[in-house]
Amino acid sequence: DTGVSQNPRHKITKRGQNVTFRCDPISEHNRLYWYRQTLGQGPEFLTYFQNEAQLEKSRLLSDRFSAERPKGSFSTLEIQRTEQGDSAMYLCASSRRGGDEKLFFGSGTQLSVL
Amino acid sequence: AQKITQTQPGMFVQEKEAVTLDCTYDTSDPSYGLFWYKQPSSGEMIFLIYQGSYDQQNATEGRYSLNFQKARKSANLVISASQLGDSAMYFCAMRTNTGNQFYFGTGTSLTVIP
Repeated sequence: DTGVSQNPRHKITKRGQNVTFRCDPISEHNRLYWYRQTLGQGPEFLTYFQNEAQLEKSRLLSDRFSAERPKGSFSTLEIQRTEQGDSAMYLCASSRRGGDEKLFFGSGTQLSVL
Repeated sequence: AQKITQTQPGMFVQEKEAVTLDCTYDTSDPSYGLFWYKQPSSGEMIFLIYQGSYDQQNATEGRYSLNFQKARKSANLVISASQLGDSAMYFCAMRTNTGNQFYFGTGTSLTVIP
């Protein structure tokens, strides 16, 4: 169990550029979540995968955001045409179906849009 | 609608004393799970404790216990014998069995004073 891994840890980009983040969940976990967290707030749900299927996406999520989880393993989150309001910590978490289904989080990717 | 409320933005506790962090929740789903997470300044969310809505007894994990009062819809976290390393943000979260996402509160910042 190597934990949830996220890359990069930090990303600085200019407004209007596209960015992509990667998440590698714990290997036996079939559920994967993306959350966004801004300073002083709790994590805000973005999207959820069960295996390779994206089962839920926040209604608050702009069309500029897209996520994939090919083959039900790692996941990527892409933000197109970034805006300053996208600056936040992007957290990935995974869980195993059954039991308490607690989330295991990665260290996050801190995005700064200049 | 599902909602988690944490009304204490910041708390202070003397080292070795006990502290209670408040959490109330709102859901119409009869089956749900309640979680507490710790987020140190490094940013990673660390799972602390879980309580299922049908669990008869309050959950305990080492120095952490969850004071679950179902009728009041509260799930307060009790940390006994506080240590300096307990200084962090603490988030209460809920997952209902009819949905896939976890709902987080705004967090409580705990500072342990030597």
